[in-house]
Amino acid sequence: GAGVSQSPRYKVAKRGQDVALRCDPISGHVSLFWYQQALGQGPEFLTYFQNEAQLDKSGLPSDRFFAERPEGSVSTLKIQRTQQEDSAVYLCASSLVLGSTEAFFGQGTRLTVV
Amino acid sequence: KQEVTQIPAALSVPEGENLVLNCSFTDSAIYNLQWFRQDPGKGLTSLLLIQSSQREQTSGRLNASLDKSSGRSTLYIAASQPGDSATYLCASDGSSNTGKLIFGQGTTLQVKP
Repeated sequence: GAGVSQSPRYKVAKRGQDVALRCDPISGHVSLFWYQQALGQGPEFLTYFQNEAQLDKSGLPSDRFFAERPEGSVSTLKIQRTQQEDSAVYLCASSLVLGSTEAFFGQGTRLTVV
Repeated sequence: KQEVTQIPAALSVPEGENLVLNCSFTDSAIYNLQWFRQDPGKGLTSLLLIQSSQREQTSGRLNASLDKSSGRSTLYIAASQPGDSATYLCASDGSSNTGKLIFGQGTTLQVKP
């Protein structure tokens, strides 16, 4: 596709439910990043991949959060046993190569835990 | 640890004014600095990327400057228009050269007709 695509755009989950958020990066982009953006704040780094390898997951807030990119393209961010504090917009970004190059963001998934 | 700060948090100006948004960062050993625009309920749109070897970048009415030694970047918007109303975010990659970005909290701009 022409840009980074995320689905679903909106997700409402009951507390304790598991959710899976999908990211389709720009075709051919090596690096893929996940960020969490709370209301009124800037995005905060969660994790990133180079192809299928997860090189940094230091930003994942707890072991309930898990991300994968098994074939080096589509990525899924999974949150188990969701809590109210998980409510946020989850943004995915991709860039052509590893390293500090221009990042392109998707529209985000707004997760609301009730 | 890199920290990025944006001032002011919010700004309201009449249409036609020139304005400056400020961004500061604590670790000057950066590879690049990127400015983004975010409309309500939307993702981030990249506006300008300044590499560490550059001092400024321009795109249309936008001009971004970078002073690594002082840990500052500014985004200059000329002849502001109501369509410029959005939140503007700056982000630095710190010294890791991985592409991982550290964001400021953003400046929410309102341009009144």
